[in-house]
Amino acid sequence: ELKVEQNPLFLSMQEGKNYTIYCNYSTTSDRLYWYRQDPGKSLESLFVLLSNGAVKQEGRLMASLDTKARLSTLHITAAVHDLSATYFCAVDIVPGDSWGKLQFGAGTQVVVTP
Amino acid sequence: DAGVTQSPTHLIKTRGQHVTLRCSPISGHKSVSWYQQVLGQGPQFIFQYYEKEERGRGNFPDRFSARQFPNYSSELNVNALLLGDSALYLCASSLGRNTNEKLFFGSGTQLSVL
Repeated sequence: ELKVEQNPLFLSMQEGKNYTIYCNYSTTSDRLYWYRQDPGKSLESLFVLLSNGAVKQEGRLMASLDTKARLSTLHITAAVHDLSATYFCAVDIVPGDSWGKLQFGAGTQVVVTP
Repeated sequence: DAGVTQSPTHLIKTRGQHVTLRCSPISGHKSVSWYQQVLGQGPQFIFQYYEKEERGRGNFPDRFSARQFPNYSSELNVNALLLGDSALYLCASSLGRNTNEKLFFGSGTQLSVL
């Protein structure tokens, strides 16, 4: 059974500090996705990581992928309140099949406080 | 440009009833996927359609069915509703043509089964 595990599930951040969210998965997929969800809202795509060693950065967020370790990290630099949301990682249910069939992790709820 | 649109936004049903949820993909997108998100959990894959053909089905009972129309819009039908079907139902669309694309999610339909 394909498993996608995120940790921590809840993360209380202080503004200005750095934090990392981890995503482990059990498939051989070489592709990993990160999404953000605000309360009561839909999912917003943050990153699509397409190969081993891929690193993508957008603002204070940086995501990386190690397919050999089956691990992706989402690093948050100098957290700000606007980053409060739930972050999900996901992988293709069928490795190599990117037709919109994703297995999501349980999500990491992030709360940033002053 | 209009994003993925879903209707209705909220729905209240009673056990045993039937429900139909609708989704219009982004213009030009030919692939539609459906996900169920129970409160506090990550989305779970239900169906994926491309060019009106079912391309994948998640681990959901036969009470769940879907179809895609010639204009690429889609319906998700759930028969004999159970309390456990209460969830946010998300529709996502993509071009469905290459391996580098991300999914675009709609705002969802919040279904409550009483």
